[in-house]
Amino acid sequence: DTGVSQDPRHKITKRGQNVTFRCDPISEHNRLYWYRQTLGQGPEFLTYFQNEAQLEKSRLLSDRFSAERPKGSFSTLEIQRTEQGDSAMYLCASRNEEGTGANVLTFGAGSRLTVL
Amino acid sequence: QKEVEQNSGPLSVPEGAIASLNCTYSDRGSQSFFWYRQYSGKSPELIMSIYSNGDKEDGRFTAQLNKASQYVSLLIRDSQPSDSATYLCAVKIGNQFYFGTGTSLTVIP
Repeated sequence: DTGVSQDPRHKITKRGQNVTFRCDPISEHNRLYWYRQTLGQGPEFLTYFQNEAQLEKSRLLSDRFSAERPKGSFSTLEIQRTEQGDSAMYLCASRNEEGTGANVLTFGAGSRLTVL
Repeated sequence: QKEVEQNSGPLSVPEGAIASLNCTYSDRGSQSFFWYRQYSGKSPELIMSIYSNGDKEDGRFTAQLNKASQYVSLLIRDSQPSDSATYLCAVKIGNQFYFGTGTSLTVIP
């Protein structure tokens, strides 16, 4: 088990371009979360999956944002027509549904987005 | 009202002292509380979880929960320079985890 993996670690793009981030959770974790974090702030919830089902979406997630978890394993977060305000660290986290680790969120290293 | 409120600091303590970090939450139905440590440029890592009123100790760390006052705290004894980081308080409500803005701690050698 290599933990939660995120790719790419850094992405620099020009305003208006589309970007996609990938998250591979811990293999036995069926719950997957995406958060956004800007400097000086805590992680802000974006969306949450249980297996392949997207169960909750934050109002922060505008229609330019879309997330998928097609087979209940890895997840992608796509941002279309990026804006400078999208510059942030995008964090993925996963957890078990049951057992001693059920309440423990494990974070990936994050994908840092810079929009020029 | 935000779900979780923290004093953003910065908090500075000398090496060997006790660092005290505080957090309040708004939802009385919250049952699970967490402290995460985040080094600059890194992702959050869990250091403590607490679910019932009282104290929970793990090495140099003690988490305290007071549900009546909706208050969670973290004490770090014998603070070390390596403890210098941002500490995030988190609360689980349903299937959601809400984070505070974090308190920046600097331990001065």
